[in-house]
Amino acid sequence: SQKIEQNSEALNIQEGKTATLTCNYTNYSPAYLQWYRQDPGRGPVFLLLIRENEKEKRKERLKVTFDTTLKQSLFHITASQPADSATYLCALEAGGFKTIFGAGTRLFVKA
Amino acid sequence: EAQVTQNPRYLITVTGKKLTVTCSQNMNHEYMSWYRQDPGLGLRQIYYSMNVEVTDKGDVPEGYKVSRKEKRNFPLILESPSPNQTSLYFCASSLSTSGSRSYEQYFGPGTRLTVT
Repeated sequence: SQKIEQNSEALNIQEGKTATLTCNYTNYSPAYLQWYRQDPGRGPVFLLLIRENEKEKRKERLKVTFDTTLKQSLFHITASQPADSATYLCALEAGGFKTIFGAGTRLFVKA
Repeated sequence: EAQVTQNPRYLITVTGKKLTVTCSQNMNHEYMSWYRQDPGLGLRQIYYSMNVEVTDKGDVPEGYKVSRKEKRNFPLILESPSPNQTSLYFCASSLSTSGSRSYEQYFGPGTRLTVT
């Protein structure tokens, strides 16, 4: 069955460092992959979308890569700040209009 | 303000008592969807709707019903709730245009449901 895995449940980094989160998927060839941010008690908020023909996408301090051969997306936050602490979710379209999400990685940025 | 609203935000109910969670969006989005979120399992799609009167099952549709009679509203119905439906529920919407779909989803604030 189609599956998305995010590399770890939690990631702790020091302020100013680059956070790198991983999203791996199996048994599917998505046309795109998305990343969302979720704060406690709130709904996810869209951050970036990358299509299968794009290797990399950037938005301010955020960068996403998409390797369809490895079936993997990497999400980077450069110069991380305590305000970046949140759960980050990856998602892809699983055929038709279905969407599947990974379980998320909780990022903690220490000052 | 562009938004997705859900009501109620919190609900405690008993097994078997029918309930409806409402979802409304003011962005004229064609696509709407319901998810449940459980610890360690992430967001799982229950049902989605591509347009008025067009709905389809997601990964976990058992025990749920939906309807899409108007573009802005997409209620989630639990005909006979059971304790395993205790969860955090999110409604989402996305702009969808003919021949080219925008995939960014806007999420509501969530409804925390407890079934005892």
